Amino acid sequence: KAGVTQTPRYLIKTRGQQVTLSCSPISGHRSVSWYQQTPGQGLQFLFEYFSETQRNKGNFPGRFSGRQFSNSRSEMNVSTLELGDSALYLCASSFDGGEQFFGPGTRLTVL
Amino acid sequence: AQSVAQPEDQVNVAEGNPLTVKCTYSVSGNPYLFWYVQYPNRGLQFLLKYITGDNLVKGSYGFEAEFNKSQTSFHLKKPSALVSDSALYFCAVTFTGGGNKLTFGTGTQLKVEL
Repeated sequence: KAGVTQTPRYLIKTRGQQVTLSCSPISGHRSVSWYQQTPGQGLQFLFEYFSETQRNKGNFPGRFSGRQFSNSRSEMNVSTLELGDSALYLCASSFDGGEQFFGPGTRLTVL
Repeated sequence: AQSVAQPEDQVNVAEGNPLTVKCTYSVSGNPYLFWYVQYPNRGLQFLLKYITGDNLVKGSYGFEAEFNKSQTSFHLKKPSALVSDSALYFCAVTFTGGGNKLTFGTGTQLKVEL
């Protein structure tokens, strides 16, 4: 079974731009969660989507948004990028509950 | 609010010796506990979980963890460490009704030396 895939793996953007990251979950998994990993704040939960609905949300500003499609693929969008948005963005999928399986991440650098 | 504490930033152990990586948690309700490992420039790999049942949980690569409700701890252990176990280890928690919103500890860097 193929694992969680994330595209692109690396991104460089400038302040003020917006970015869209993509995540394809493991086949059959309907829950997709997004996390931000930074050296200063560690791993922080952004949001979770299940069957195209946002089920949980972390404490991030509205510039961070996401969606999920009918095939369970998910995207997250960050608008008006700030330097502090530089991070590794991790996507995880699960069947429902239980362990989450993580993708390799997208490394976003904001200049 | 849920929280996880990993009191040690780094743990050093000699190859062949037992290792312990500590984790304590705080949640409202019944905890669901997880251990993940991260190698450089990689995502997180699942090691093991505690949902309910036996307090001693066995996972991948010879790792195990013991759930202690009274001490709110979920320490990761391995009887004999390998150099290849050197990595960053994360403890995470959610709870009944918390869905997949994992709260992670700050991570513990494990260094296994020859």
